[in-house]
Amino acid sequence: DQQVKQNSPSLSVQEGRISILNCDYTNSMFDYFLWYKKYPAEGPTFLISISSIKDKNEDGRFTVFLNKSAKHLSLHIVPSQPGDSAVYFCAARANFGNEKLTFGTGTRLTIIP
Amino acid sequence: EPEVTQTPSHQVTQMGQEVILRCVPISNHLYFYWYRQILGQKVEFLVSFYNNEISEKSEIFDDQFSVERPDGSNFTLKIRSTKLEDSAMYFCASSGDRALSPNSPLHFGNGTRLTVT
Repeated sequence: DQQVKQNSPSLSVQEGRISILNCDYTNSMFDYFLWYKKYPAEGPTFLISISSIKDKNEDGRFTVFLNKSAKHLSLHIVPSQPGDSAVYFCAARANFGNEKLTFGTGTRLTIIP
Repeated sequence: EPEVTQTPSHQVTQMGQEVILRCVPISNHLYFYWYRQILGQKVEFLVSFYNNEISEKSEIFDDQFSVERPDGSNFTLKIRSTKLEDSAMYFCASSGDRALSPNSPLHFGNGTRLTVT
């Protein structure tokens, strides 16, 4: 069951540059998408979300873009900082009121000082 | 900031034994969840719980699993007879809103690492 895919298991980016993390999904019933960040030995921490009625949502250094026709979303972090080094999970929810989140496999982001 | 707390952080048990994983959700939250992550794999939904009953569960959540809110603060996951493949990180989560809106995202605890030998 690969409804949410993060095809890049890892990504290295120079400090100050833009980090772009990608996520693809297959279930057209997904209507709400989230990005979570996870440090070792901690639980996932909510970062930013986007509803399927939008194509962009911005919060400080983090911007999420949604391309519904391509079933693709991306998380942009700019400028990247060393504290951004973590595993990033894309997650999706199908239908309003449904409580289950389907997660991707994660991308490990390393920011190089 | 209020947080979800889980105990213990690491639990080692023998195959066939019962384990209870404990969680204290954020105090004003009404929706509670268990997720798990097997090493190297994705985070998977197990069960959601609201108003003292299970509202949704996955195929993973079979008869060996049960959840309970024994009092006003704790939320527990019980595995009756553990199997080797139950070894995973188990995350408890809570939210204030069923719809998981931007104003009420899912808050996760730091997890309990369960090792079944």
